[in-house]
Amino acid sequence: EIVLTQSPGTLSLSPGQTVTLSCRASQPVGSSYLAWYQIKPGQVPRLLFYGASRGANVPDRFTGSGSGTDFTLTIDRLEPEDSAKYYCEQFGISPYTFGQGTRLDIK
Amino acid sequence: QVQLQQWGAGLLKPSETLSLTCAVSGGSFKIYYWSWIRQTPGKGLEWIGEVNQSAGSKYNPSLKSRLTISADPSKNQFSLRLTSVTAADAGLYYCARAGGMDVWGQGTTVTVSS
Repeated sequence: EIVLTQSPGTLSLSPGQTVTLSCRASQPVGSSYLAWYQIKPGQVPRLLFYGASRGANVPDRFTGSGSGTDFTLTIDRLEPEDSAKYYCEQFGISPYTFGQGTRLDIK
Repeated sequence: QVQLQQWGAGLLKPSETLSLTCAVSGGSFKIYYWSWIRQTPGKGLEWIGEVNQSAGSKYNPSLKSRLTISADPSKNQFSLRLTSVTAADAGLYYCARAGGMDVWGQGTTVTVSS
């Protein structure tokens, strides 16, 4: 199965900064089949980006990019509400797999 | 707007069978794939499997021997059945619309305890 490795594990940043989260795959993944999710405590996962598309009602501060084995999620102009855990997922090759997540704290 | 409502027993004893159902409303059932995902302390987020009315089911090999995912198009519902549960199966279970999962159920907390 494809292993997704996310880095860094944890980040603590200030409002207004920009952050780039990394997701590296153990083998190539079609870019249309790579998704990013945001999970906050007590909330349902939220789709942020997949392929070249932003999820519904997701601010344009969130941008996904990458190809092959290297993918990134960039969040511009960080806001306190962006504090969450972020996961990448590949759904191109079964079994679909998730990264272990990056925890982002905005203070 | 598509919505998913899931239900099922959340407290199980070891060796029992987990059964969850997810109802789809507000959109087409037959053209989409529908997934089950779980979040456990040990493995984080894990894809369990998916089902499509025409294409059938696809399972995570790590669970395949204990798992059945089925669809009932007459009710716009799909279900998960996981047999012989252990403490390792405890966690938060979600249903979702597959392929860049943009619609999710509310989640069901599953506890396995004797």
